[in-house]
Amino acid sequence: ILNVEQSPQSLHVQEGDSTNFTCSFPSSNFYALHWYRWETAKSPEALFVMTLNGDEKKKGRISATLNTKEGYSYLYIKGSQPEDSATYLCAFFGVDQFYFGTGTSLTVIP
Amino acid sequence: ETGVTQSPTHLIKTRGQQVTLRCSSQSGHNTVSWYQQALGQGPQFIFQYYREEENGRGNFPPRFSGLQFPNYSSELNVNALELDDSALYLCASSSTGGITDTQYFGPGTRLTVL
Repeated sequence: ILNVEQSPQSLHVQEGDSTNFTCSFPSSNFYALHWYRWETAKSPEALFVMTLNGDEKKKGRISATLNTKEGYSYLYIKGSQPEDSATYLCAFFGVDQFYFGTGTSLTVIP
Repeated sequence: ETGVTQSPTHLIKTRGQQVTLRCSSQSGHNTVSWYQQALGQGPQFIFQYYREEENGRGNFPPRFSGLQFPNYSSELNVNALELDDSALYLCASSSTGGITDTQYFGPGTRLTVL
């Protein structure tokens, strides 16, 4: 079983603040990394699929970077809004299956 | 285009019983994966089905089994339920099951085993 860690576990920010969190994964046998956004009582929603070292992806105010050599990905949210409140999950594909982190729970305070 | 749906939403069973959870994939998707999310954990891969055949399995015992039907809907069956099987069960469909394919998740079935 591979270890995928996300930090911090939870985060409270004020509306308008920018924030970022980390997904750490094994640097060997990297194939792909997926980011998901999961609002309470809804389905996880795909944000990004990242495959290449140095990848940067952007979707509106949310962006992500990938460093496969050191085994981490950052997710950034610029100018957080209350609707960004959700759990953000990363999933690392290593060899044979997806391994998920436990998520970062973001609360944006109006 | 309809999304991924799961039924039932919640389910309560007793230890030793059997349960069947259902998933309806997004239209046009021939791959479905099932995940178990225990409290405080990230989702764990149970297995994947591609065109009605099992196409990969995680570290789950044989009492976890599945089926995928010609219309690409699927079932997760769990026999001889144990207390530790209490969890949220998620299914996710994708167009080909490739590792860069976007997975579309259902809202999950919450199973409680007493």
